[in-house]
Amino acid sequence: EVQLVDSGGGLVQPGGSLRLSCAASGFTVNNNYMSWVRQAPGKGLEWVSIIYTDGFTFYRDSVKGRFTISRDNSKNTLFLQMNSLRAEDTAVYYCARGIVSGAYYFDLWGQGTLVTVSS
Amino acid sequence: SYELTQPPSVSVSPGQTARITCSGDALPEKYAYWYQQKSGQAPVLVIYDDNTRPSGIPERFSGSRSGTVATLTISGAQVEDEADYYCYSTDSSGTHWGVFGGGTKLTVL
Repeated sequence: EVQLVDSGGGLVQPGGSLRLSCAASGFTVNNNYMSWVRQAPGKGLEWVSIIYTDGFTFYRDSVKGRFTISRDNSKNTLFLQMNSLRAEDTAVYYCARGIVSGAYYFDLWGQGTLVTVSS
Repeated sequence: SYELTQPPSVSVSPGQTARITCSGDALPEKYAYWYQQKSGQAPVLVIYDDNTRPSGIPERFSGSRSGTVATLTISGAQVEDEADYYCYSTDSSGTHWGVFGGGTKLTVL
């Protein structure tokens, strides 16, 4: 079955770190664009980061320098390392598979993992 | 930064046609995509490349794009179509960012 399973969320204090994981099955992470999208409580979807098949990475300005997207081909897993976390990073984080069409869009999503940044 | 603008809410009666718009300056150059998100669930793609339905999406969902406005149309909306809908596209200024609209709450009752 083709699916993504997100994990790693939890409660963390401001300034702390957390690493999210996204395990893929039924396809190869390395051969696809992969992205993280988040949704703050009661708010809309917000694109966070993407890694291209050639390894290039891009981030929204508010997380640049604090978040790092990466993948482990042997585990077929996508990661998001989040450092210096702030209250405004509180959200459900979804991983998503990107499809190239002009630019890219997302055809497959994980179930999401909740990150709460609070003291 | 690039923005996509949607109305916050749309309301229709069952069987009526619902139209949700999405406006953005880069839409003349970029495809529009639409996602449906029901409460507590992950988003689901309902339209890609402006007007194509993925496998398994009912025929009552359709999309179009004209100039700076993309439109999602649900012909004969059903109660089960009640959800938040988000348009999506990508920034054309070279940032490689994905951009979502603010979302539209569709009420069918």
